[in-house]
Order: sequence, then structure tokens, then C-alpha cells
Amino acid sequence: ETGVTQTPRHLVMGMTNKKSLKCEQHLGHNAMYWYKQSAKKPLELMFVYNFKEQTENNSVPSRFSPECPNSSHLFLHLHTLQPEDSALYLCASTRTGGNTEAFFGQGTRLTVV
Amino acid sequence: DAKTTQPTSMDCAEGRAANLPCNHSTISGNEYVYWYRQIHSQGPQYIIHGLKNNETNEMASLIITEDRKSSTLILPHATLRDTAVYYCIVRVASSGNTPLVFGKGTRLSVIA
Repeated sequence: ETGVTQTPRHLVMGMTNKKSLKCEQHLGHNAMYWYKQSAKKPLELMFVYNFKEQTENNSVPSRFSPECPNSSHLFLHLHTLQPEDSALYLCASTRTGGNTEAFFGQGTRLTVV
Repeated sequence: DAKTTQPTSMDCAEGRAANLPCNHSTISGNEYVYWYRQIHSQGPQYIIHGLKNNETNEMASLIITEDRKSSTLILPHATLRDTAVYYCIVRVASSGNTPLVFGKGTRLSVIA
């Protein structure tokens, strides 16, 4: 248990569906991140939020839409995805500033059919 | 892009020390060396980090060369549960926030 909780753990969705991934942490962290990990590939950074503000968008397609309503919650809204978007989506959080370790959730395994 | 180079895979006998090398020849003076590991289909787990001094915690030891261009993560008594992909990451510590950038890591297989 890392203190970062992701739901759901598994998700199967059609290409025309809309779904959302949720990430929650109560570690007092102010920075939250979304990463994507496709099969046999390294983790790819998608989005970074600091104090609820998006500070980095790593050229992610608009069919992925993040939302950070407060420092404890992070969402990833999904719509009209493609089969190649099937991957493990990981959320992480850190304290802001200085030399800090990141805590990761267990991820959501997404399959687009 | 990741600024580190690691072997693709390594094997280690159970109970023996696992020594995982990492090259980071372009590391800057204000960059730390971090190690994380990822057990199959789980989120990465922090192991240890250091700047220039050797570090030890309950999980592992980190040995950084004097010129800081390479480091070694040591798991003193590897167990089967240490089988995972190990990532070496360099990251600047700043007043803002610098995300972790992952490379391909080293797949460590601990063998009974």
C-alpha cells in the first residue's frame, strides 16, 4: 500500500465509449502525474499537475483529458480511444519542491476493443 | 529521454548479492541518482537515491563513483520477490518539480 489509490484496476472499453480513471492520494502531496506504460515499453510521462495546475502536457492526444479538482484527486477522462491506447495507466504523487520520492498507484489496466 | 544506460537483463542466485550497474556520464552537479523498481504489472516502487555519497537503507545500498558518472545498486541478499525491472534515473532537485523520466531499466531475475 503506497497511499496512492487508482480505480478501477481493470477497464475494458469500446472505441466509442467515454470513461474516466481516478487517482486519489492523502499523503499531503501537491504534485500528481499520469504515466502510460504500453506493453514492453518504458513508462511515458503524460501530464503533470502542481497545486492543481497543469504544468506539463507531453504531447498527449486530446482524446485523453486530465482533470485535477484538488491536490488529492486526479482524473483521466477518456473518449474515442484507439486499440493502441491499451496500456497500464499509472498515477503518481510527490511533495512539491526539493528532493522527494514519488509514490505510485497500482495502475489501471485499460483494454480498448 | 532517459539520461542513463543500464544492462537489459541480469540474473542473480537467490541469497546472493545483486549488483545492478548504471551509467550516467552526463550527470549534472545538481542531479541526484534515483532507483526504482517495478514488479510485474504493478506501479514502480522507490528504493533509494543519492547525490555523491554512498547511501544505505533497509532495502539496498547505492554506491556512486567519485566522478559521479556511474553507480551501482546493491541488493545484499536477493530473494525471489526481488525479481523486477530496476530503473536508474537522474533527476534534478529544485524548488519546483521535475518529473521522473524512465528508461528501459534492467530486468533482474532472481533464480532459486
